[in-house]
Amino acid sequence: DQQVKQNSPSLSVQEGRISILNCDYTNSMFDYFLWYKKYPAEGPTFLISISSIKDKNEDGRFTVFLNKSAKHLSLHIVPSQPGDSAVYFCAASGAGGTSYGKLTFGQGTILTVHP
Amino acid sequence: GAVVSQHPSRVICKSGTSVKIECRSLDFQATTMFWYRQFPKQSLMLMATSNEGSKATYEQGVEKDKFLINHASLTLSTLTVTSAHPEDSSFYICSAVVGTTQNIQYFGAGTRLSVL
Repeated sequence: DQQVKQNSPSLSVQEGRISILNCDYTNSMFDYFLWYKKYPAEGPTFLISISSIKDKNEDGRFTVFLNKSAKHLSLHIVPSQPGDSAVYFCAASGAGGTSYGKLTFGQGTILTVHP
Repeated sequence: GAVVSQHPSRVICKSGTSVKIECRSLDFQATTMFWYRQFPKQSLMLMATSNEGSKATYEQGVEKDKFLINHASLTLSTLTVTSAHPEDSSFYICSAVVGTTQNIQYFGAGTRLSVL
């Protein structure tokens, strides 16, 4: 049962353009969402997060949008740079009870930014 | 950001031996650490939650006798893969949370385990 889904296994973008990575979730108890970036043979690096009480959070070139009614979030990177090429994971967590602190990850999207 | 160190980065062992992986929080104290496993082209799957001074909480389907977790101090958690077999070959990653904000986890660099 994949509660967090990233339906696009890969995305290719030209340098300077916008990269949009999408993520869908099914569990309505999730109330905190995160994006991680991962290079091969390394652990994920935290990028940006958003609480369910917000619909947008921005940090430099990275913006995360949350649509709770659609159970959908997206990560926008603009402008995209070759160094952004990596695997991007969407993750979700729910507050309270035994699920507190646990992250459920999507399958990841491989982003390639071409010079 | 917080730094989590994981050691070793890569280990190759013979079938039947045990392997210990260490996860350290370098610049903060972590009462809670998490252990994940990642198979090729798949997502990170949570194996267990490691709590300092108490027993680890394992996810459904994870054998606690196979994957021993010890969280003896606020900066160190260890995962021991006992009697490793080729099917245990995988990428193991730990993470730690800072303070009481458990939503943001900081990850180690991971350990590539290959069992021959």
